[in-house]
Amino acid sequence: GAGVSQSPRYKVAKRGQDVALRCDPISGHVSLFWYQQALGQGPEFLTYFQNEAQLDKSGLPSDRFFAERPEGSVSTLKIQRTQQEDSAVYLCASTKNSDSIYEQYFGPGTRLTVT
Amino acid sequence: DQQVKQNSPSLSVQEGRISILNCDYTNSMFDYFLWYKKYPAEGPTFLISISSIKDKNEDGRFTVFLNKSAKHLSLHIVPSQPGDSAVYFCAANKEYSGGGADGLTFGKGTHLIIQP
Repeated sequence: GAGVSQSPRYKVAKRGQDVALRCDPISGHVSLFWYQQALGQGPEFLTYFQNEAQLDKSGLPSDRFFAERPEGSVSTLKIQRTQQEDSAVYLCASTKNSDSIYEQYFGPGTRLTVT
Repeated sequence: DQQVKQNSPSLSVQEGRISILNCDYTNSMFDYFLWYKKYPAEGPTFLISISSIKDKNEDGRFTVFLNKSAKHLSLHIVPSQPGDSAVYFCAANKEYSGGGADGLTFGKGTHLIIQP
């Protein structure tokens, strides 16, 4: 596809369940970002990959959050033992190279609701 | 503490008039600024950007102004059209971080409503 895709688009999880959110970046894009957007807020940075290397995970809120990009393309954000405060839209973005000056292209997001 | 602030949660403008969306930042390390537009149930879409070496960047109906001394930027849309109704996010970054790209720092957004 031409853009960043994410799946599933919506996920409902019971508190304590593990979830996995998938991101397919634009083909050939080197950099991949994950953001969390709570209701009424702007997106907040979670983690950044350059190819398969996770260069920055300073935004991950707890050790229940884990992200990987093993082959430098598709990425998965995993949340273990979900809590209600994890309810948010999770956005993935990619850029074609590793320079900060290039705008990030966002996917539609996965809306996670923890009940 | 919010490093990028959009103090107007919403703005209503008549079709054909100018829309002005404002953004303030506190981190003096930021030197690259972007505006994103977001429709419901979609991801943010890049609109326009500006580097700190400039004070103005124009693209069609959209112009971004940067006042570095005031740490303030604004997005002007003229003339405003019904399709411009969306949430607009201001975002900031460091242009050259050295160790690869950085995550963007976003404001909370301004909901622009264009009235017919």
